[in-house]
Amino acid sequence: AQKVTQAQTEISVVEKEDVTLDCVYETRDTTYYLFWYKQPPSGELVFLIRRNSFDEQNEISGRYSWNFQKSTSSFNFTITASQVVDSAVYFCALSDRGNTGKLIFGQGTTLQVKP
Amino acid sequence: NAGVTQTPKFQVLKTGQSMTLQCAQDMNHEYMSWYRQDPGMGLRLIHYSVGAGITDQGEVPNGYNVSRSTTEDFPLRLLSAAPSQTSVYFCASSYQIGQGIGEQYFGPGTRLTVT
Repeated sequence: AQKVTQAQTEISVVEKEDVTLDCVYETRDTTYYLFWYKQPPSGELVFLIRRNSFDEQNEISGRYSWNFQKSTSSFNFTITASQVVDSAVYFCALSDRGNTGKLIFGQGTTLQVKP
Repeated sequence: NAGVTQTPKFQVLKTGQSMTLQCAQDMNHEYMSWYRQDPGMGLRLIHYSVGAGITDQGEVPNGYNVSRSTTEDFPLRLLSAAPSQTSVYFCASSYQIGQGIGEQYFGPGTRLTVT
């Protein structure tokens, strides 16, 4: 069965600290896609990244970076020098089998960045 | 482009009432999905569609119906509302890239309370 686990329910850091959000997934597919979404207090879901299972290169976008490791089925997300505006719920998601457009979401990690 | 739109934004229903949550997208996306979000449970898939005229059940379909007569619209019908259906509902659309799928675009959500 396909599954996404975000073991960290809540994380609290002080501004400027680095923080890593963990994501572990399960799938038997050889081709799949992984995603991260941000949900700020306003409630909308904001797309952050899409990663193909064949592309294991780490990615950096400004203060955000992602570490994809197929060997450990993990797709972790690091925020460097966190800011108060990073406070949100972050979801990791896995594409379902076949091209159905469905995503399987983890339970989410609530990040609180204190000034 | 308006992206994915949902109406209404808020709704209060009494137990046993029925209603339709509207969802539309103007990006000509093949895939559309409905999710519900409950505290601590991430987003769970209710129903999805891979194209006009084609729908299927997700993880939590009981009590909901969908149809997709056009590419643009994907309404979600609550047949007989129950307090357990109190939740935030998100509609999403996505598209095919090569052999895989692109990111999901989410609507702003509908907050439903059933009393």
